[in-house]
Amino acid sequence: GAVVSQHPSRVICKSGTSVKIECRSLDFQATTMFWYRQFPKKSLMLMATSNEGSKATYEQGVEKDKFLINHASLTLSTLTVTSAHPEDSSFYICSAPLAGGSSYEQYFGPGTRLTVT
Amino acid sequence: AQSVTQLDSHVSVSEGTPVLLRCNYSSSYSPSLFWYVQHPNKGLQLLLKYTSAATLVKGINGFEAEFKKSETSFHLTKPSAHMSDAAEYFCVVRDTGRRALTFGSGTRLQVQP
Repeated sequence: GAVVSQHPSRVICKSGTSVKIECRSLDFQATTMFWYRQFPKKSLMLMATSNEGSKATYEQGVEKDKFLINHASLTLSTLTVTSAHPEDSSFYICSAPLAGGSSYEQYFGPGTRLTVT
Repeated sequence: AQSVTQLDSHVSVSEGTPVLLRCNYSSSYSPSLFWYVQHPNKGLQLLLKYTSAATLVKGINGFEAEFKKSETSFHLTKPSAHMSDAAEYFCVVRDTGRRALTFGSGTRLQVQP
């Protein structure tokens, strides 16, 4: 099946700094990618839809100036958590549907655990 | 608006016994429904999907689910649990016309030896 990678898998940063998380589709092109956030023992919450060549679409309640999304190419989307605070600590997961194929199935990255101290 | 309710946050079974993970959904349109599994430190893996074809869907690793429109349910079953089935399971819905997914709260399956 298709493979989606995320980097880094874990990151610890100090409060007030910014952190960039990468999501790559390794063997297919993705015009759209999705970013989710998963709190401990909780479900995944959709944060935003990343669109190649245009602005991301954010879900209600998600601060677009805090969670910057850039879909630089057909295989790469980045999520930058700006001025991170401890409450931003979470598990961030990206997914991508196969472009041109069935949009019913998405492929998920392994996730990035962010800890803000 | 679409939503998913997983009725059990935690299910514990003995190895070799049947597994039932319950899921009810709410959707404005004809939904696509999925079950994903998440093992510790691993990415989400698709178990099976329903996309308006056969109502009984067979997935990987012996899992299957039945779409019951009258009950708005999509319960996941497996005849005989294996130790390797221990993981977090998510029921997921996607409304027609939307590409994003809505996740249920998850059910942690524990398999006792």
